[in-house]
Amino acid sequence: DTGVSQDPRHKITKRGQNVTFRCDPISEHNRLYWYRQTLGQGPEFLTYFQNEAQLEKSRLLSDRFSAERPKGSFSTLEIQRTEQGDSAMYLCASSRTGSPSQETQYFGPGTRLLVL
Amino acid sequence: DAKTTQPPSMDCAEGRAANLPCNHSTISGNEYVYWYRQIHSQGPQYIIHGLKNNETNEMASLIITEDRKSSTLILPHATLRDTAVYYCIVRGYSGGGADGLTFGKGTHLIIQP
Repeated sequence: DTGVSQDPRHKITKRGQNVTFRCDPISEHNRLYWYRQTLGQGPEFLTYFQNEAQLEKSRLLSDRFSAERPKGSFSTLEIQRTEQGDSAMYLCASSRTGSPSQETQYFGPGTRLLVL
Repeated sequence: DAKTTQPPSMDCAEGRAANLPCNHSTISGNEYVYWYRQIHSQGPQYIIHGLKNNETNEMASLIITEDRKSSTLILPHATLRDTAVYYCIVRGYSGGGADGLTFGKGTHLIIQP
């Protein structure tokens, strides 16, 4: 396994701009999760995919946020009209399906977003 | 998923065993205990998980009390690189459900030289 990768690692943008982040899961992991982490807090779940289907969204995922996983492999998370409150670390995780061990989530390094 | 309670911070001397407690008094029968850690500015790292039996792997040991209302993560010989925030998470498993993990604030473990 090469691990979960995320790109970019850091993003600085101005308020009102759109940003897009990419996550590449561990190969053959059919589940992919997005989380957000603000300073001093633990990660908060945003949404998850099983293959290409988005199966759950947190109430934290406002209308300005959209996530896709078109071919069931990599995923993108887009934030439209960014606000300063969107400044956070965006984390991606992936897992298989099956036993609890197989469903263990493995995280990427995160994308740190700063909205000025 | 059941809530967990962890001390906000702990110190441990390098080379000693670090014992991190977690209370999960409302845990239900199909909920597993997972531990992750997060080193500054990195993504969370999976450590270990268990249901009711004690578990050990190359990183740590997990001791779950018989009533499953609490657990302890043990790092047998702590090093400076073990300084991190440690999260105890309870997650249900229903053979197909895929909930997001619910993180609290964790325990900030500081290993002292």
